[in-house]
Amino acid sequence: LAKTTQPISMDSYEGQEVNITCSHNNIATNDYITWYQQFPSQGPRFIIQGYKTKVTNEVASLFIPADRKSSTLSLPRVSLSDTAVYYCLVGSISSGSARQLTFGSGTQLTVLP
Amino acid sequence: KAGVTQTPRYLIKTRGQQVTLSCSPISGHRSVSWYQQTPGQGLQFLFEYFSETQRNKGNFPGRFSGRQFSNSRSEMNVSTLELGDSALYLCASSTDRAYTEAFFGQGTRLTVV
Repeated sequence: LAKTTQPISMDSYEGQEVNITCSHNNIATNDYITWYQQFPSQGPRFIIQGYKTKVTNEVASLFIPADRKSSTLSLPRVSLSDTAVYYCLVGSISSGSARQLTFGSGTQLTVLP
Repeated sequence: KAGVTQTPRYLIKTRGQQVTLSCSPISGHRSVSWYQQTPGQGLQFLFEYFSETQRNKGNFPGRFSGRQFSNSRSEMNVSTLELGDSALYLCASSTDRAYTEAFFGQGTRLTVV
């Protein structure tokens, strides 16, 4: 499974756009990039997933360059409630793959008033 | 639809005892995975079940075991508890085709004294 590297922590202010970048230099052809959010004492929550270019949903956008060696999670106009740990995961979603989610250390995002 | 339900939410056990945790996945989800989360080790994969069969297992001692029933509900058991087993135990369910889009329960906080 491809290893990911992300900043340990980030601070932002309410209303700002936040971009969290994840590095995954050894990403394989079949790998997708998935982001999860976790609040204290709760299970992680799926945010967004993509393979290449850009994916957008009601919560976030995911930008993936052509070489796919990195990805950027973009959270528009964050609020205090977006304070959480954000995990970047890389892995294959195909039926023959080892079915486990490998979480790294994540990025602690703190949104300040 | 109802989310992933884990019971109990909190548990205090004594060293040497055993414990059984329960997980009810989202209706229609046949894949159930278990994770251990501790401050020191982060989120670590324990095992994954699909259609009552363990398909994948993480690097944990044999004291950690699990099973899945025909209705996809799953249980995990930890025998001969050690202080280091104190953790948040998380259950995740997913469909077989969208494994990386997992839905997590709120977890069971196990404290071993």
